[in-house]
Amino acid sequence: AAGVIQSPRHLIKEKRETATLKCYPIPRHDTVYWYQQGPGQDPQFLISFYEKMQSDKGSIPDRFSAQQFSDYHSELNMSSLELGDSALYFCASSFGTNTGELFFGEGSRLTVL
Amino acid sequence: AQRVTQPEKLLSVFKGAPVELKCNYSYSGSPELFWYVQYSRQRLQLLLRHISRESIKGFTADLNKGETSFHLKKPFAQEEDSAMYYCALSPNYGGATNKLIFGTGTLLAVQP
Repeated sequence: AAGVIQSPRHLIKEKRETATLKCYPIPRHDTVYWYQQGPGQDPQFLISFYEKMQSDKGSIPDRFSAQQFSDYHSELNMSSLELGDSALYFCASSFGTNTGELFFGEGSRLTVL
Repeated sequence: AQRVTQPEKLLSVFKGAPVELKCNYSYSGSPELFWYVQYSRQRLQLLLRHISRESIKGFTADLNKGETSFHLKKPFAQEEDSAMYYCALSPNYGGATNKLIFGTGTLLAVQP
């Protein structure tokens, strides 16, 4: 069965550079969530989209932005990267907002040097 | 404040021993509680949710609202249970979003 696909799987950037992460949800899933997991930390909710509209916002820095496109894929844009942005970024998807189950991608590991 | 606490970072048991992974939550409303599991080199996946009241892979979890706990239990641990376990809370279940608030996770290591 198709799962949530994230790209790239690994990304290395310098400080102050920009990065874009992509997430392709499971077909027919209309809700996408972004999480950030630092080393030894729990996954922190960043932002979510339902039907291409932002549905909830968590601890997402102002330097980050995200959107969900007409084909339901989502992109997380990160600018002015800092060392502390180095983390594993998970995307998850669900069908609707009332299922209680999120399906996660394998994550994109961002390293900022 | 909404918070999920997993007091143990690591839990090491021998095969066949009982397992209990602790989870406590802080939330003023009626939350939906979940256990997610991440096996080595695999993605995070749902193990069970409290409303289902089901046993998955021998694991059960009961929501205790009085103690605000949702501990995960299994009577006889197997080596294949070794994984990272995250307790999670959905504060807006039934509402406009399904976001999850995760605990810090407990690494379960089952020794042969």
